[in-house]
Amino acid sequence: GAGVSQSPSNKVTEKGKDVELRCDPISGHTALYWYRQSLGQGLEFLIYFQGNSAPDKSGLPSDRFSAERTGGSVSTLTIQRTQQEDSAVYLCASSRDRGAEQYFGPGTRLTVT
Amino acid sequence: KNEVEQSPQNLTAQEGEFITINCSYSVGISALHWLQQHPGGGIVSLFMLSSGKKKHGRLIATINIQEKHSSLHITASHPRDSAVYICAVSLRESNFGNEKLTFGTGTRLTIIP
Repeated sequence: GAGVSQSPSNKVTEKGKDVELRCDPISGHTALYWYRQSLGQGLEFLIYFQGNSAPDKSGLPSDRFSAERTGGSVSTLTIQRTQQEDSAVYLCASSRDRGAEQYFGPGTRLTVT
Repeated sequence: KNEVEQSPQNLTAQEGEFITINCSYSVGISALHWLQQHPGGGIVSLFMLSSGKKKHGRLIATINIQEKHSSLHITASHPRDSAVYICAVSLRESNFGNEKLTFGTGTRLTIIP
């Protein structure tokens, strides 16, 4: 079956612009996670969804970052007023339920110029 | 100090050699994950384990809960095994009931033909 998909695969934006990153999880997976992989920071957790609710937003680095999930499926990560330090690969993962194995998408490479 | 430590950071070996990558963690966990990331590629989950040992083909993962240590072994290594291997842990008793991952910094493995 289809895996986790993300779009766009690459995004170049100017500093100060807003961007939206999309994640399509595996059908039926209730848990969805956003992670970020930066050159200097490695992989870090951003936000977790169970269904449409986000009980854990503890990893979002600032209030410029927000995310939503609709219909228990697609999720969008929005970064407002992008900064150069936001440049990273943004990864989405989904799992059948919390505690189950996570399946990762290919990521979106964001470059802020 | 990171909650998850991996060693070595870089490992170069000849084709056919037995490979061991180590992971130590300092917190209570519900599960430990081994992930593989090829250059420019996405992340693939290799193992998720909470006790004992698991084997998939030439890959073996072990965990010692008392010592808070896990190892990933590759037998009869091949150049296609060249990738970054990442250890990650799911934290136990998360306040939010989720299973977000905390990652090690990764081990870059290069297998020379």
